[in-house]
Amino acid sequence: AQSVTQLGSHVSVSEGALVLLRCNYSSSVPPYLFWYVQYPNQGLQLLLKYTSAATLVKGINGFEAEFKKSETSFHLTKPSAHMSDAAEYFCAVSGLNTGNQFYFGTGTSLTVIP
Amino acid sequence: DGGITQSPKYLFRKEGQNVTLSCEQNLNHDAMYWYRQDPGQGLRLIYYSQIVNDFQKGDIAEGYSVSREKKESFPLTVTSAQKNPTAFYLCASRRLAGGPETQYFGPGTRLLVL
Repeated sequence: AQSVTQLGSHVSVSEGALVLLRCNYSSSVPPYLFWYVQYPNQGLQLLLKYTSAATLVKGINGFEAEFKKSETSFHLTKPSAHMSDAAEYFCAVSGLNTGNQFYFGTGTSLTVIP
Repeated sequence: DGGITQSPKYLFRKEGQNVTLSCEQNLNHDAMYWYRQDPGQGLRLIYYSQIVNDFQKGDIAEGYSVSREKKESFPLTVTSAQKNPTAFYLCASRRLAGGPETQYFGPGTRLLVL
């Protein structure tokens, strides 16, 4: 079975500081992994996705994530936080054995302190 | 522009009333999904459909119903049997090509009970 765990439901960083949002997955086969961002009262927008082409994936708005099979992790990072990064972030997993379903983590709310 | 539209943005339900949330996509996607989002619980799958005139229950289908008469449309009805319908409802769609196809989201409908 597929599942995703996001450690830390709330993360606060200072403007200009490193952003690190954690995501661990469980899967019996290599998964496809996604990070989405959600601003208040809006739908989810894709930030980036891992498709096995490269372990370091670059996304929009300066975010990137690294797939580490040995750690079953896909953490999201950004070198320097901006006020506009304040939002809810969701990690999701899909794959050939999920029946075309996505499994989402419970989300991490990012606060950026000026 | 291609995308997913949901209407209305806000919906109010009276006790004992059925209400229908609209979801339309012009992306020519095969699969469509309905999620319910509550604070701190992430996204929970209500129903999904991979082909016209066929759909499957998700994790929390009780009190909800759907139809898929056209590829572009996947309306969700919240019935009076759903005792706690207040939530943010998200519709999504994706291609089914056997690979890491992204799931795209609509802007959401917030349902409130009067």
